[in-house]
Amino acid sequence: QKEVEQDPGPLSVPEGAIVSLNCTYSNSAFQYFMWYRQYSRKGPELLMYTYSSGNKEDGRFTAQVDKSSKYISLFIRDSQPSDSATYLCAMSAFAGGTSYGKLTFGQGTILTVHP
Amino acid sequence: EAEVAQSPRYKITEKSQAVAFWCDPISGHATLYWYRQILGQGPELLVQFQDESVVDDSQLPKDRFSAERLKGVDSTLKIQPAELGDSAMYLCASSARTGGRIMNTEAFFGQGTRLTVV
Repeated sequence: QKEVEQDPGPLSVPEGAIVSLNCTYSNSAFQYFMWYRQYSRKGPELLMYTYSSGNKEDGRFTAQVDKSSKYISLFIRDSQPSDSATYLCAMSAFAGGTSYGKLTFGQGTILTVHP
Repeated sequence: EAEVAQSPRYKITEKSQAVAFWCDPISGHATLYWYRQILGQGPELLVQFQDESVVDDSQLPKDRFSAERLKGVDSTLKIQPAELGDSAMYLCASSARTGGRIMNTEAFFGQGTRLTVV
């Protein structure tokens, strides 16, 4: 079983829809959670970064972390065609002692927002 | 805006040849990662540096892959000899260290090098 599981989709929604992307994880040492957006043939672009349970909002994006359930989500409100991309969740343990904060990624969810 | 620089963007090489990728992280970032991303999958860590030291290379195929970061700034990843299964996107990322204590901060990626082995 992989440490981080992410539904690869693909997910297709109409413009303006609310999108929910999710990841589950098994390693309770994970403390830091990130969401990346990756356009075709490009490197991942950091969207959200959080290290606590609860919600963090940035414009149309909301990241949600539930450490007790080992579950994280990214919500996109008022989705736009320009949001069409692959969304990757990533997480890491605290970088102390023998742990150096290795990032572990999910498989990525392919999202298409059609006009 | 500061960014992670990688070169080349694309590389086509024949099986059994040597190939090298270069990465220049964001200035001041102590942590540098090399990831490999196979099409349709998430990135997987190959090697992680803290300054000039390797802190994780457990997934690096050491019989053919090598990585160095001699002065703790830019880094080179080499494959020799290349195999067909090495075709992938090779991504470099960097993150900062806060003060004298290793802290997790956001990791920023370069545009990657897309390698095709024929």
